[in-house]
Amino acid sequence: GENVEQHPSTLSVQEGDSAVIKCTYSDSASNYFPWYKQELGKRPQLIIDIRSNVGEKKDQRIAVTLNKTAKHFSLHITETQPEDSAVYFCAALGANNLFFGTGTRLTVIP
Amino acid sequence: GAGVSQSPRYKVAKRGQDVALRCDPISGHVSLFWYQQALGQGPEFLTYFQNEAQLDKSGLPSDRFFAERPEGSVSTLKIQRTQQEDSAVYLCASSLTGQGNYGYTFGSGTRLTVV
Repeated sequence: GENVEQHPSTLSVQEGDSAVIKCTYSDSASNYFPWYKQELGKRPQLIIDIRSNVGEKKDQRIAVTLNKTAKHFSLHITETQPEDSAVYFCAALGANNLFFGTGTRLTVIP
Repeated sequence: GAGVSQSPRYKVAKRGQDVALRCDPISGHVSLFWYQQALGQGPEFLTYFQNEAQLDKSGLPSDRFFAERPEGSVSTLKIQRTQQEDSAVYLCASSLTGQGNYGYTFGSGTRLTVV
């Protein structure tokens, strides 16, 4: 099955700086890669996703890049704000379901 | 409904007790997934339904775990003879299509604590 690895596990940035979270996956057949944000005690929420037919997608301050050859994808958050503080999970679609990374705890320091 | 609804939000069970966790997905969503999220970890896949058919249960950790979705809507995850290692948040998610490639909408989860 699919194996997704995510790093770093924790990330602290100053408000206004950029944050980058990286993930790798193992199954070359995977073609859908969403990112979820989970605040403490709350449900994971989809923030952006990318399909394998594109290399980059942007939505305001958030962007995701995908390198299918290298089997890795990354989340980029620019101009970080305190409300961006949360745990972020990457995921890759296997045969039937999403496989999740272990999460990155992002702390934005005001 | 507007979102995925799970109940109860919190459940404390004595070791050996049976529990039943309910998930009410978004109306019309074909796919329903159960995940287990241990503290500080990512969600781990348990099982997947497409309408009423359970197409994948490879993630269920033991035969004490059982899930059903008899009418293709509400689903129940049952855990028999709970053990301490079952303590976790159980997340339900639904997706519009059968392929899950339009993203999941998660419920708020049920936090199960086995004492």
